[in-house]
Amino acid sequence: AQSVTQLDSHVSVSEGTPVLLRCNYSSSYSPSLFWYVQHPNKGLQLLLKYTSAATLVKGINGFEAEFKKSETSFHLTKPSAHMSDAAEYFCVAPSGYALNFGKGTSLLVTP
Amino acid sequence: NAGVTQTPKFRILKIGQSMTLQCTQDMNHNYMYWYRQDPGMGLKLIYYSVGAGITDKGEVPNGYNVSRSTTEDFPLRLELAAPSQTSVYFCASSFNPGGDGYTFGSGTRLTVV
Repeated sequence: AQSVTQLDSHVSVSEGTPVLLRCNYSSSYSPSLFWYVQHPNKGLQLLLKYTSAATLVKGINGFEAEFKKSETSFHLTKPSAHMSDAAEYFCVAPSGYALNFGKGTSLLVTP
Repeated sequence: NAGVTQTPKFRILKIGQSMTLQCTQDMNHNYMYWYRQDPGMGLKLIYYSVGAGITDKGEVPNGYNVSRSTTEDFPLRLELAAPSQTSVYFCASSFNPGGDGYTFGSGTRLTVV
């Protein structure tokens, strides 16, 4: 089964600075991978998905993720953080008929 | 287009009580799921269904039951509630989970006291 590891449980950035949320996956083949976002007391929303079409994936709200097979990584980035980006972010991989979720990274954005 | 609808949004149960969390989707998705979310633990799969009449256990099924009599509905039953079942519960559905991901409901926050 596919699994993912989110390397940071908390990340703090200043507004206007770059965001990097790290995720490694475990697989010997190119998987599909997802990033989801959960704002406080809200449900989960799909941010972006990788399905082997292109290694650089663009998502909503200016986020991107790059699939790097050599590093088994799928890190999420954004050039400039906004206050509204403060949320919990989950890296997700398929496992059988379901999805496996990482433990999440809480992003704090300070003024 | 309602998507995935969960009810109730909040509930407080006493130890030993039972309840059913309702989930319905209007997208004709075959795949449906129940997850629980606890702080710092991500989401854990409780049960899932690949179609009407077919259900299977996930990672943490103990204390829960499900049924899937129609494509639209996937209720989660808690029997003999315990404090360990205090959590936020999410229902999700998908047409193609590996390719499209999930559509999530808004969640049910359950407290067992």
